[in-house]
Amino acid sequence: DGGITQSPKYLFRKEGQNVTLSCEQNLNHDAMYWYRQDPGQGLRLIYYSQIVNDFQKGDIAEGYSVSREKKESFPLTVTSAQKNPTAFYLCASSTYNNEQFFGPGTRLTVL
Amino acid sequence: AQKVTQAQTEISVVEKEDVTLDCVYETRDTTYYLFWYKQPPSGELVFLIRRNSFDEQNEISGRYSWNFQKSTSSFNFTITASQVVDSAVYFCALKPLTQGGSEKLVFGKGTKLTVNP
Repeated sequence: DGGITQSPKYLFRKEGQNVTLSCEQNLNHDAMYWYRQDPGQGLRLIYYSQIVNDFQKGDIAEGYSVSREKKESFPLTVTSAQKNPTAFYLCASSTYNNEQFFGPGTRLTVL
Repeated sequence: AQKVTQAQTEISVVEKEDVTLDCVYETRDTTYYLFWYKQPPSGELVFLIRRNSFDEQNEISGRYSWNFQKSTSSFNFTITASQVVDSAVYFCALKPLTQGGSEKLVFGKGTKLTVNP
């Protein structure tokens, strides 16, 4: 059945390492998004992509990178430049001018 | 500038009570969408409703109802006869419908609802 998958569910990273979070959707949505959520906080937009091979920075893009080589996939790399990466990361997708649907999230912890 | 304010950070009620979650928004756009999402303890955001700025009719879905008032820029959410399963964080969001504009949503900070048995 259709939906958004994120993997892994939990991820542990040592300081100084880059890690990549996976996001895949089979909803045939054009737009995809990455959000960061800190405890007790709302959602902050990291990057978004409205079409394949194109993406824009959100509100907190520093220390993160993305690619959009396929419509179905929008991986997020958390680089060593991100000073405080421990958070809950949510991926979403949507069609034009419609609601966003979210994946189950990845909880990243820096050791 | 777009902004969504959910002034209630946390609400605690006893089962079967009615509860209203407030949402106030700011936008200069004349056309926009408003949304409510539910985030249960599992973490995944669940879409609840989308409302077009042209349509000020209130909506009811089971125990859930939404009151959209353009005059006060509010889009409040009421749960009638609350249940323990309603315990979650609820987010209100705004999306301007600017032609050629981005698909970005502006989220409020959320209201954590706890329904006690």
